[in-house]
Amino acid sequence: AQSVAQPEDQVNVAEGNPLTVKCTYSVSGNPYLFWYVQYPNRGLQFLLKYITGDNLVKGSYGFEAEFNKSQTSFHLKKPSALVSDSALYFCAVRDYNNDMRFGAGTRLTVKP
Amino acid sequence: NAGVTQTPKFQVLKTGQSMTLQCAQDMNHEYMSWYRQDPGMGLRLIHYSVGAGITDQGEVPNGYNVSRSTTEDFPLRLLSAAPSQTSVYFCASSYRGQGNPYNSPLHFGNGTRLTVT
Repeated sequence: AQSVAQPEDQVNVAEGNPLTVKCTYSVSGNPYLFWYVQYPNRGLQFLLKYITGDNLVKGSYGFEAEFNKSQTSFHLKKPSALVSDSALYFCAVRDYNNDMRFGAGTRLTVKP
Repeated sequence: NAGVTQTPKFQVLKTGQSMTLQCAQDMNHEYMSWYRQDPGMGLRLIHYSVGAGITDQGEVPNGYNVSRSTTEDFPLRLLSAAPSQTSVYFCASSYRGQGNPYNSPLHFGNGTRLTVT
């Protein structure tokens, strides 16, 4: 089965600094990868996806993600973090049953 | 568009009680699913449906039933609540349609926080 792993439970960055939230994947065949964000007491919101094409994918709120096939990674990045980016971030892969499989999540805290 | 609507927002049950979590979407999405979210475990798929009249089990289906009589609605039933079912439950939907169904992201409701005592 397809799966993703998020190796960090928590990431702390200072406002204005670049941020990276890591994700690695395990799939057979072509990967369909997604990033979602969850704010307190809300459902998950879609940020961006990689299906095929360019390895650098741009998404909502200034986020981007870099797909690296040789390292089986799909890290989420942002050049300059905002305090309002503090949230829970989930990496996910779409299975051949069309099910979305999620990582355990990474809590991002951006300090002023 | 309301998107995906879940009711209730909060619920407290006693062990052994049954209840139904409601989910409705107004985007004409074929695919609908239920997840539970527990700390440190991400989201785990309970049941899903690829269209009206079709349902299937996910990773953690035991203790839950679903049905899909219409495209819009996908209720989740807890048959006999147990403390292990204390969790936050999310309903999600996505477009399936023609072309590549794996392209479509999920649209989530705001969740139901369930406590079983």
